[in-house]
Amino acid sequence: DAGVTQSPTHLIKTRGQQVTLRCSPKSGHDTVSWYQQALGQGPQFIFQYYEEEERQRGNFPDRFSGHQFPNYSSELNVNALLLGDSALYLCASSPSGGGWNEQFFGPGTRLTVL
Amino acid sequence: GDSVTQMEGPVTLSEEAFLTINCTYTATGYPSLFWYVQYPGEGLQLLLKATKADDKGSNKGFEATYRKETTSFHLEKGSVQVSDSAVYFCALSEYNNNDMRFGAGTRLTVKP
Repeated sequence: DAGVTQSPTHLIKTRGQQVTLRCSPKSGHDTVSWYQQALGQGPQFIFQYYEEEERQRGNFPDRFSGHQFPNYSSELNVNALLLGDSALYLCASSPSGGGWNEQFFGPGTRLTVL
Repeated sequence: GDSVTQMEGPVTLSEEAFLTINCTYTATGYPSLFWYVQYPGEGLQLLLKATKADDKGSNKGFEATYRKETTSFHLEKGSVQVSDSAVYFCALSEYNNNDMRFGAGTRLTVKP
């Protein structure tokens, strides 16, 4: 079982650019969540995708958008990058079915905005 | 809204010392509680969980008990090892709510 995989591992962008991060969920999982982890902080929920639609969203601006594909993989897009977007972006997957969702995390993508 | 407060770090211990990392929470419903661990350069790994009051989660010598009366979920280990050095996150998840809330994390360093 490959677990949750993310690409790329590291990324450097400049202010104003756009970035796309990718995630493949753990086998058997159909729900993908994205989190932003700033340095020295805990992860913060960005949004969750299920059945190719955004199911729930945290307190992040519209510059953050996503997509889920029929194979359950997902992308996170961030437009008009700001210096404050520099962070570790974590993808987490879980099975559907509601309840208390235990989430399995990927290794993350480290985004640096210069 | 829901939130998690963790004991501030960093925490530095000698090998074989006893570990406690405090975690308290505020929740509107009946959350499940989690401890995640993050090793340097890696993502989060689930360490243990508890889904209802008085449940005890345990794994790899770590334990935490869900205390509803004190809204706490303190992490303990009787004898830490150098390999336990990592950042530990307490988290909660409400029923049918996908927004998992994390504490700020506590960095543990264990010295030989």
